[in-house]
Amino acid sequence: GNSVTQMEGPVTLSEEAFLTINCTYTATGYPSLFWYVQYPGEGLQLLLKATKADDKGSNKGFEATYRKETTSFHLEKGSVQVSDSAVYFCALRNTGGGNKLTFGTGTQLKVEL
Amino acid sequence: GAVVSQHPSRVICKSGTSVKIECRSLDFQATTMFWYRQFPKQSLMLMATSNEGSKATYEQGVEKDKFLINHASLTLSTLTVTSAHPEDSSFYICSASRQGGLDTQYFGPGTRLTVL
Repeated sequence: GNSVTQMEGPVTLSEEAFLTINCTYTATGYPSLFWYVQYPGEGLQLLLKATKADDKGSNKGFEATYRKETTSFHLEKGSVQVSDSAVYFCALRNTGGGNKLTFGTGTQLKVEL
Repeated sequence: GAVVSQHPSRVICKSGTSVKIECRSLDFQATTMFWYRQFPKQSLMLMATSNEGSKATYEQGVEKDKFLINHASLTLSTLTVTSAHPEDSSFYICSASRQGGLDTQYFGPGTRLTVL
């Protein structure tokens, strides 16, 4: 079956630090991969996605590269801000599975001044 | 655009009662809506998928008679937890997509259900 594994949080960083949140997956076929972000009190929002191997998704300074050889989709940002404090979810959608998403457990990021 | 709301945001009920949670797409028509359940420090688990005007499709292990889903219009889906028990306490999240297929899902903020 499909599964997504994320690093446990919370991750606490100082402003302008480099961020990496690890995500690995298990899936049959060729899934699409996603990162969602949930700000306090709000619903999950799509942050970025990649649909095939070696694709790089990017948005708001965040990047993630679809690595099929390591089954990974790590989220990175070069310089975080306090406003990036949120919970980040890695997810996959498998081919033939319709629009069903399989989520990781989420990683809370706290950015301090 | 693409805002999804849920009501209520929190609900506390007594064991044995039924609770209804609403999910609305505020600025778009949602052909498909999804209901998820999230336990503390665990991932979102898909419970069911509903298409407007059709019966919901439930995931394996989800009791359809306990979790009643109605998607009667293109902007509203409801989840009713019938005869709730403490083990039903959880965070329930809905999402909506404009079309079927592989369209982006837009998520609501979630509803915290506590059953005493």
